[in-house]
Amino acid sequence: DQQVKQNSPSLSVQEGRISILNCDYTNSMFDYFLWYKKYPAEGPTFLISISSIKDKNEDGRFTVFLNKSAKHLSLHIVPSQPGDSAVYFCAASVGTNAGKSTFGDGTTLTVKP
Amino acid sequence: NAGVTQTPKFQVLKTGQSMTLQCAQDMNHEYMSWYRQDPGMGLRLIHYSVGAGITDQGEVPNGYNVSRSTTEDFPLRLLSAAPSQTSVYFCASSFSLAGGLGTQYFGPGTRLTVL
Repeated sequence: DQQVKQNSPSLSVQEGRISILNCDYTNSMFDYFLWYKKYPAEGPTFLISISSIKDKNEDGRFTVFLNKSAKHLSLHIVPSQPGDSAVYFCAASVGTNAGKSTFGDGTTLTVKP
Repeated sequence: NAGVTQTPKFQVLKTGQSMTLQCAQDMNHEYMSWYRQDPGMGLRLIHYSVGAGITDQGEVPNGYNVSRSTTEDFPLRLLSAAPSQTSVYFCASSFSLAGGLGTQYFGPGTRLTVL
């Protein structure tokens, strides 16, 4: 049973528009959520995180929203840039022990110039 | 700071061979983890460690061994390689602090092929 799901394998948006990447989870014990970005042939890099005590966290062009009742989080990128083209992974952990994170399968974002 | 380093970058093994994937970090992180990523899938946790001398199993530990004798190093051993272990392996490290500081730093990965 996959505990973290990213149901859209791919997303294509025009440069300057908003990108919305979605993630659902089933384990109610998860209370810390992270988004990672991954370019080909590189390791994932941390993008933004949110604790379950918040419903929104913002960092520049990136905002993560958390809906605990729906067990759903989303990553908004505004405005999208061609350099944002990458695979985005949603991850969840119990507590801030990110060393034991559960990952989704990723969404490939393509931002077209 | 070199961050998290992994060696080798690429490796081809024959079925039944053993090998060790190396991982080192210079950030004094308590937590270290090994993940594998298969095509089209996310990262799955193999083993992790919360400090020197302490390790535990993750989601897919079978066929792998780990040890943590120092804070810096966390090698992953394949005991008898099988084609099902063909994957990209990522090592990661993080602090164990509360307050949202437990984000992981990943190495560049080792691409392993088992024939």
